[in-house]
Amino acid sequence: DGGITQSPKYLFRKEGQNVTLSCEQNLNHDAMYWYRQDPGQGLRLIYYSQIVNDFQKGDIAEGYSVSREKKESFPLTVTSAQKNPTAFYLCASSIVTSAYNEQFFGPGTRLTVL
Amino acid sequence: RKEVEQDPGPFNVPEGATVAFNCTYSNSASQSFFWYRQDCRKEPKLLMSVYSSGNEDGRFTAQLNRASQYISLLIRDSKLSDSATYLCVVAQYSGAGSYQLTFGKGTKLSVIP
Repeated sequence: DGGITQSPKYLFRKEGQNVTLSCEQNLNHDAMYWYRQDPGQGLRLIYYSQIVNDFQKGDIAEGYSVSREKKESFPLTVTSAQKNPTAFYLCASSIVTSAYNEQFFGPGTRLTVL
Repeated sequence: RKEVEQDPGPFNVPEGATVAFNCTYSNSASQSFFWYRQDCRKEPKLLMSVYSSGNEDGRFTAQLNRASQYISLLIRDSKLSDSATYLCVVAQYSGAGSYQLTFGKGTKLSVIP
């Protein structure tokens, strides 16, 4: 089955620790995205990548970093510089970054910083 | 600031009812429009794209009014399985050949037996 996987589903970390969230897709999509969702809020774009070895900051990139070494993988690191990291993190992909292509989402990772 | 505004609800309706959701967007240069559905604690999934001429998919009808910067979603004959949060989504050009989606906060629908 083609799709997007994210792991882990739930993640608990102590304040001040960096943590990396995994995102893998086997849809052969060029574009990948990371969003953050807080309760009662819309999804906000953290980073996106149009192609391997390239990525751009979204609206709320501060305190986060990404890499895109393989087409299938787009891991997100939440660093200790992120002031309020507890949130629901969603990874998505699309064929290309287009106004008309559907974005497919992974099941998400719920990060709680204690 | 590029924003998408929705009535947060919740909308509590009986089975079989017709319910309408509204959405406004601030960026007149927005390219395309969508409704996504998000079940509780799950990921969003595309429900339907929204075209200027209006489009229908079974019990769901979407309308776009570019002049008023307004999008709507109508659900007829509501089912219990329609209970979810409905996200209004707008695509905008963000430079360097790429587009970004801006999401509304969502409207929560509960269909009651």
